[in-house]
Amino acid sequence: EVQLVESGGGLVQPGGSLRLSCTAFGFTFSSYEMNWVRQAPGKGLEWVSYISISGSTIYYADSVKGRFTISRDNAKNSLYLQVNSLRAEDTAVYYCARESSLGEHLIDFWGQGTLVTVSS
Amino acid sequence: SYVLTQPPSVSVAPGKTARITCGGNNIGSKSVHWSQQKPGQAPVLVIYYDSDRPSGIPERFSGSNSGNTATLTISRVEAGDEADYYCQVWDSNSDHYVFGTGTKVTVL
Repeated sequence: EVQLVESGGGLVQPGGSLRLSCTAFGFTFSSYEMNWVRQAPGKGLEWVSYISISGSTIYYADSVKGRFTISRDNAKNSLYLQVNSLRAEDTAVYYCARESSLGEHLIDFWGQGTLVTVSS
Repeated sequence: SYVLTQPPSVSVAPGKTARITCGGNNIGSKSVHWSQQKPGQAPVLVIYYDSDRPSGIPERFSGSNSGNTATLTISRVEAGDEADYYCQVWDSNSDHYVFGTGTKVTVL
């Protein structure tokens, strides 16, 4: 069974940092591109970042560029998001999301998410 | 940046048809995907590449895409279809995913 399990969320003060993790189960993680997507409370989905299979290609949303860093460790079946200089508007559930192997950009599976709350 | 616009809400009686639109500039030239999100749950893909259904998604879900509008159609709506629905595209001009604003489907 395909699973994506996120961890690392929590309460952090403005300006603080966290490292979010996502561990993959039930599929060959090293064969899939991956993303982070977030959802503020009561709001819609917002794409955050993309990473290619090898990690050589990375994209960020303008709202997080320069503050967030995506990475992966294929040997550990894990995806990461280092989030720095956090702001109140970064408060959201952060989802790890897998891209389909069909060849075009398509998110076909999501984890259950980890909540990041930025507040003093 | 590329923008996708959806109606905030759609209401439909059980057994009827719900149509959810996703508007974007020349969206017909892009591949559109749709996800369903029930309260407290992660999104689930229900339509990809405009009109294909993942395994396990009922045939009641269908999609189309032309011109400036993509449409998700849910036929013979059931109470279990009540959820938020999001359209999604990849904008190759910016190398960004773009999500629609989301539509809440209420079954009357």
